[in-house]
Amino acid sequence: GAVVSQHPSRVICKSGTSVKIECRSLDFQATTMFWYRQFPKKSLMLMATSNEGSKATYEQGVEKDKFLINHASLTLSTLTVTSAHPEDSSFYICSATGGRVGYTFGSGTRLTVV
Amino acid sequence: RKEVEQDPGPFNVPEGATVAFNCTYSNSASQSFFWYRQDCRKEPKLLMSVYSSGNEDGRFTAQLNRASQYISLLIRDSKLSDSATYLCVVNLANQAGTALIFGKGTTLSVSS
Repeated sequence: GAVVSQHPSRVICKSGTSVKIECRSLDFQATTMFWYRQFPKKSLMLMATSNEGSKATYEQGVEKDKFLINHASLTLSTLTVTSAHPEDSSFYICSATGGRVGYTFGSGTRLTVV
Repeated sequence: RKEVEQDPGPFNVPEGATVAFNCTYSNSASQSFFWYRQDCRKEPKLLMSVYSSGNEDGRFTAQLNRASQYISLLIRDSKLSDSATYLCVVNLANQAGTALIFGKGTTLSVSS
């Protein structure tokens, strides 16, 4: 079946630094990638949708300058959390679709900002 | 108003019990509907799609009522391994196409 690989699975960074999370579709072309964030005991909240080769579309309340999304190829999308702060600590997860492949999720990245 | 609302639970049931989860969605333009399962600190996994005609997959039965914008999931003969959070999900059009919108989830704990 379709596989989406997300790295890193866990990262701890210092406040003020930037963190990049990668999401790769291993066996299909991901024309659309989605980035979600999940706080403890909360639902997955859609942050942005990115179509390959286009700028990402951000949901209301999500700062596009803070959460930089790149989807330059059909197999890779990256989310960069810039100038991270402790309140950015969360579970970030990507999802990809493309062709006949439905929503396929990465395994998530647990970010802790100290 | 949230797009997708669920009773968060937790539902604590013994093995063998039947348990039902309910969900409502606010946007009548929602296109498709799903139940996902999420284990602690893991990604969500698709449990089943939900159709107006109702559908069954083993011990799991899902129902959709478009008129009342209501979705349900019934689990029969609960197993210990069913313990997880069950997420009600709708596929909704957005500016970039369509996206999955998740409910907060209902936590199920099955005990022996």
